[in-house]
Amino acid sequence: AQKITQTQPGMFVQEKEAVTLDCTYDTSDPSYGLFWYKQPSSGEMIFLIYQGSYDQQNATEGRYSLNFQKARKSANLVISASQLGDSAMYFCAMSDNTNAGKSTFGDGTTLTVKP
Amino acid sequence: DAGVIQSPRHEVTEMGQEVTLRCKPISGHDYLFWYRQTMMRGLELLIYFNNNVPIDDSGMPEDRFSAKMPNASFSTLKIQPSEPRDSAVYFCASSLEARRAGNTIYFGEGSWLTVV
Repeated sequence: AQKITQTQPGMFVQEKEAVTLDCTYDTSDPSYGLFWYKQPSSGEMIFLIYQGSYDQQNATEGRYSLNFQKARKSANLVISASQLGDSAMYFCAMSDNTNAGKSTFGDGTTLTVKP
Repeated sequence: DAGVIQSPRHEVTEMGQEVTLRCKPISGHDYLFWYRQTMMRGLELLIYFNNNVPIDDSGMPEDRFSAKMPNASFSTLKIQPSEPRDSAVYFCASSLEARRAGNTIYFGEGSWLTVV
């Protein structure tokens, strides 16, 4: 069965610094995808970044990068040069072929960026 | 491109009333998902469809909840009768058919339901 674990309920970071949000996963399927979503206080869920299990390189999207360590089953999100607008809840999620399109979400990490 | 469109954005209703939430997925997407989010339980998958067919409804809390997808561009989630514990944000989301693992799911803005 799929499982996503986010061990940090809350994180603080100083503006302009980098921050890493942790995510570990578990699946028996060799083919899977990992995702991060951002949920600001306004409530919408915004897709940030995707990493495929067979991708050779870590995914990057602007200031977001995914530190993918397959052997350790971790998919940490790195946000560089934090901005006040990065304050939000962040969810890690995964899907695999076994579950035919269904995604499993972690409990989320609340990030607060301090000025 | 239009994203996933949900309506209503906000609804306040009295206990016992019927509530219908609506969703228009992104055109061309084959999967449609209904999620519920509460402080206590986080984000829960209620049901999802593939090509308009319900695939997994194991997350639907009880018989008061029902979902339909009559065509590729429309889905409803209905609660009848509604109860205060149904108060939550209900998200509709959609994704393309996966060519390999990794359906990126795109969410609507959510329907904020309050049952008093």
